[in-house]
Amino acid sequence: NAGVMQNPRHLVRRRGQEARLRCSPMKGHSHVYWYRQLPEEGLKFMVYLQKENIIDESGMPKERFSAEFPKEGPSILRIQQVVRGDSAAYFCASSDRGETQYFGPGTRLLVL
Amino acid sequence: QKEVEQDPGPLSVPEGAIVSLNCTYSNSAFQYFMWYRQYSRKGPELLMYTYSSGNKEDGRFTAQVDKSSKYISLFIRDSQPSDSATYLCAMNRIQGAQKLVFGQGTRLTINP
Repeated sequence: NAGVMQNPRHLVRRRGQEARLRCSPMKGHSHVYWYRQLPEEGLKFMVYLQKENIIDESGMPKERFSAEFPKEGPSILRIQQVVRGDSAAYFCASSDRGETQYFGPGTRLLVL
Repeated sequence: QKEVEQDPGPLSVPEGAIVSLNCTYSNSAFQYFMWYRQYSRKGPELLMYTYSSGNKEDGRFTAQVDKSSKYISLFIRDSQPSDSATYLCAMNRIQGAQKLVFGQGTRLTINP
């Protein structure tokens, strides 16, 4: 039973470019969460999605960030016009009934 | 004031020692409590999941919850070098928002 998959594992972007991060939840899970981890800090919630719906985006920056979880395919976190402060590890988690969350290996974004 | 407080450490103990890790929280709405282990440059791995006050044991790990004091603990018995990692406490509310709120994480090193 494959766990949560994320790709790419590492992503380098120059300031102003777009970053697109993908997350495939565990088989049978329909709830996806995105978290951001800055160096030496804990994880900070960004957004919670179910298939085709954003349930809670209270942790998402108001500009440049968006997320989707289409009916088919992975969940995508998109960051437009990246800035150096966006450099962080981005983790995706999934669950089946909104309780226990299982995390993927993360995508480490570096903005030059 | 952060919703969840966790001493970041670092904490260094000899192999075989009993390790005690702790978190305090301010929001009495938190009902579910988790401990995650995160190895360097990896995703968080769920260790323990508890709901009620009291103790829950799983092998060498014991999770303790005291809702009256808003205090949770993780004990590791017979600690081993492979336990060296960052330990994150996390919690969420019984209904409504499903986001996890994390502590900063405690970096633990077990010395052979």
